[in-house]
Amino acid sequence: TQLLEQSPQFLSIQEGENLTVYCNSSSVFSSLQWYRQEPGEGPVLLVTVVTGGEVKKLKRLTFQFGDARKDSSLHITAAQPGDTGLYLCAGAVFDDMRFGAGTRLTVKP
Amino acid sequence: GAGVSQSPRYKVAKRGQDVALRCDPISGHVSLFWYQQALGQGPEFLTYFQNEAQLDKSGLPSDRFFAERPEGSVSTLKIQRTQQEDSAVYLCASSLGSSSTDTQYFGPGTRLTVL
Repeated sequence: TQLLEQSPQFLSIQEGENLTVYCNSSSVFSSLQWYRQEPGEGPVLLVTVVTGGEVKKLKRLTFQFGDARKDSSLHITAAQPGDTGLYLCAGAVFDDMRFGAGTRLTVKP
Repeated sequence: GAGVSQSPRYKVAKRGQDVALRCDPISGHVSLFWYQQALGQGPEFLTYFQNEAQLDKSGLPSDRFFAERPEGSVSTLKIQRTQQEDSAVYLCASSLGSSSTDTQYFGPGTRLTVL
């Protein structure tokens, strides 16, 4: 059983559409991070959220940390082909990070 | 400056062989992590070092897996008597400090294929 459940597992959309992906857990995290990973590369950090209810924006990406610090969402507005990749959430467990299985996003031109 | 580097990038081993995977973290980074990423999955935590001390090795799947960081910089992940289920990408990450909120910088990974 994954500590962090991500949904959907796969998402294929057209350029210009909006989308939301989710990261859920029954555990409380002191912080949660979102990463994007492209084929043949390691994950790259997008954002860290630490406060329940926190919302952070990074250009067309909006990240929200749940009030109870058990879940998070990533919303992308007007998706572009360059957004294609594997989106991973990771929660802090003591000094370590535990990752979800990821959402594989494909944005078609 | 240079990021995290890993070598080799690809490794093919016959079942039963021993392999050694190297990670060169960003200079001065205190923390170093090893992860295993199976095809289509997220990274699974293996072990964590703070300088030369291995503080958490709870993710190592068996006693065939061993990691070291003797001088607090370069780290080696060794897998003895490799099995087919060991086939995966092995990722190394480093961070400047020891807090879980510190940014982890990942290397490109070593893809291990066990035949």
